[in-house]
Amino acid sequence: SAVISQKPSRDICQRGTSLTIQCQVDSQVTMMFWYRQQPGQSLTLIATANQGSEATYESGFVIDKFPISRPNLTFSTLTVSNMSPEDSSIYLCSVEKGTSYNEQFFGPGTRLTVL
Amino acid sequence: AQKITQTQPGMFVQEKEAVTLDCTYDTSDPSYGLFWYKQPSSGEMIFLIYQGSYDQQNATEGRYSLNFQKARKSANLVISASQLGDSAMYFCAINSGTYKYIFGTGTRLKVLA
Repeated sequence: SAVISQKPSRDICQRGTSLTIQCQVDSQVTMMFWYRQQPGQSLTLIATANQGSEATYESGFVIDKFPISRPNLTFSTLTVSNMSPEDSSIYLCSVEKGTSYNEQFFGPGTRLTVL
Repeated sequence: AQKITQTQPGMFVQEKEAVTLDCTYDTSDPSYGLFWYKQPSSGEMIFLIYQGSYDQQNATEGRYSLNFQKARKSANLVISASQLGDSAMYFCAINSGTYKYIFGTGTRLKVLA
């Protein structure tokens, strides 16, 4: 398994500001993933972050709104830019540990409220 | 395209009883994996159990078992001897050997004392 930490665990932000969420893994991993979970909804993949390359964004998500950094094999950040109340969600990072069935392990999540 | 359907938005079960959470899926890939995750109110996603499309036997993990019926494309989660701590959201997910998980809409389970 993998131990994943996220900072902050929760935050309340004002409209128009930006928040950077950090994700730290206890071992080196190739791929890290960022998900969004809007209130009462399921998880939606925002992007995949590989070390040394640009993040790959899913349909409906753009780099200007959700810039991602992946400076090394154990760390990634997701920034939620120019926030609006619609960005209020839980943001989760996950990693794939290379098991035979591509199991993903998730961090504890960041609960974001935008006023 | 892959799809996961969880038709039970909410379920109740009496403590110590067994409960089945339904999950049906749709995929054209011959090789895929099915996963169940638990999400307590704290928000973390906890991996519970995995079933591979080629696995001959149903997966089991402690009090969790997966009732896998490939022909019917269903992968129901069975929780035996329910505990109060089992109260949470439960998500079924599928992937086909890529990184991309498709999650269902979840089932909220409430265990009654």
